[in-house]
Amino acid sequence: AQSVAQPEDQVNVAEGNPLTVKCTYSVSGNPYLFWYVQYPNRGLQFLLKYITGDNLVKGSYGFEAEFNKSQTSFHLKKPSALVSDSALYFCAVRDNRGSYIPTFGRGTSLIVHP
Amino acid sequence: AAGVIQSPRHLIKEKRETATLKCYPIPRHDTVYWYQQGPGQDPQFLISFYEKMQSDKGSIPDRFSAQQFSDYHSELNMSSLELGDSALYFCASSSRASGREDEQFFGPGTRLTVL
Repeated sequence: AQSVAQPEDQVNVAEGNPLTVKCTYSVSGNPYLFWYVQYPNRGLQFLLKYITGDNLVKGSYGFEAEFNKSQTSFHLKKPSALVSDSALYFCAVRDNRGSYIPTFGRGTSLIVHP
Repeated sequence: AAGVIQSPRHLIKEKRETATLKCYPIPRHDTVYWYQQGPGQDPQFLISFYEKMQSDKGSIPDRFSAQQFSDYHSELNMSSLELGDSALYFCASSSRASGREDEQFFGPGTRLTVL
């Protein structure tokens, strides 16, 4: 079984400040982890993924995520938030021994204030 | 760059009617996924196809069926529509042959409203 939790429904941050969107996961085998962003009335856009290797993964638009095996977490981060980063962010996980279908979290709404 | 195309973008149907949603994946992508996203919900996986064969099956109701054609486009057929079927339906595609099967590219979605 695989599952992912995003404990925050909403994250508020001021423009220029660092942001973190939290994600924890549970899988039987090794995790493949993903972050997607969704703008209003649009499909999800792939941001980054962790398969193996370096625990710090860099992705699109200046986002990065850190894989922490002991804490089963994969938090999304950005050093300096932009108002245009405001969107819905989904974390997803799949078990490397399972199908190719990821399980998505409930999503976290990121609001960046000017 | 070409993206995933979905049609129609909006669809309004009455209860008990049928609907057909179409998806055109990114060229040379061999895998298509269908998701249903209710208001304020995460995407729920319905079904996927790899090289025109059903690959995985999720929470797709028996009233729904789907297939992938020889040109790799896919259609989701929905019958006996219910009010609860109102949602955004996303298609996504990826390339298993290139080893990037986990990078799913989503289409803009079809918003289905059942009255």
